[in-house]
Amino acid sequence: SYELTQPPSVSVSPGQTASITCSGDILGNRYACWYQQKPGQSPVLVIYENTKRPSGIPERFSGSNSGNTATLTISGTQAMDEADYYCQASDSRTVVFGGGTKLTVL
Amino acid sequence: EVQLVESGGGLVQPGGSLRLSCAASGFMFRVYWMTWVRQAPGKGLEWVANIKYDESEKYYVDSVKGRFTISRDNAKNSLYLQMNNLRAEDTAVYYCAILRMGAKGVYFDYWGQGTLVTASS
Repeated sequence: SYELTQPPSVSVSPGQTASITCSGDILGNRYACWYQQKPGQSPVLVIYENTKRPSGIPERFSGSNSGNTATLTISGTQAMDEADYYCQASDSRTVVFGGGTKLTVL
Repeated sequence: EVQLVESGGGLVQPGGSLRLSCAASGFMFRVYWMTWVRQAPGKGLEWVANIKYDESEKYYVDSVKGRFTISRDNAKNSLYLQMNNLRAEDTAVYYCAILRMGAKGVYFDYWGQGTLVTASS
């Protein structure tokens, strides 16, 4: 079965750039998307189709996808960005999530 | 405003059954694929099942095949998940979400608040 691998945790200082990776076999051939989830809340879509931001998502969130790795980048990270982040990809029939990355802003 | 409201969760003994519902409003429910995603306590997200707008296609994660059934009633703007022969490992918050279809994959742009299912004796 297809698997997506994320680092369990990433730390960043306020105002700096955070990068969260997601690795999977030939992931670049699929669309990747990213969700943000804060404690006790439902996931929120922050990036879809590799690079697109839904309405209402700040411009500091961006995405890329090439080869075997998709990356979520948060520029000028703010304290409010501290959350769990999940990548997700799919084929024609099934969907897979990465294991999630806890972003700590300190 | 798009709203998805799940209900039907609760405590059930292993081997028991439960039916989850998701009431949709604020969008044209009958033309969208829908999905169920779950999250075990303290764990990550796990996709459970997808259903096409006309119920002609349904897909499941291997671990629930033969036990769970996804369905919908477009006249009632409702999505369902019938869960039979529940196991302890099915314990999770279950979310419904709208599925958007892209050329090389899907994504979920609106989520409900979730309903907790606990399979325990």
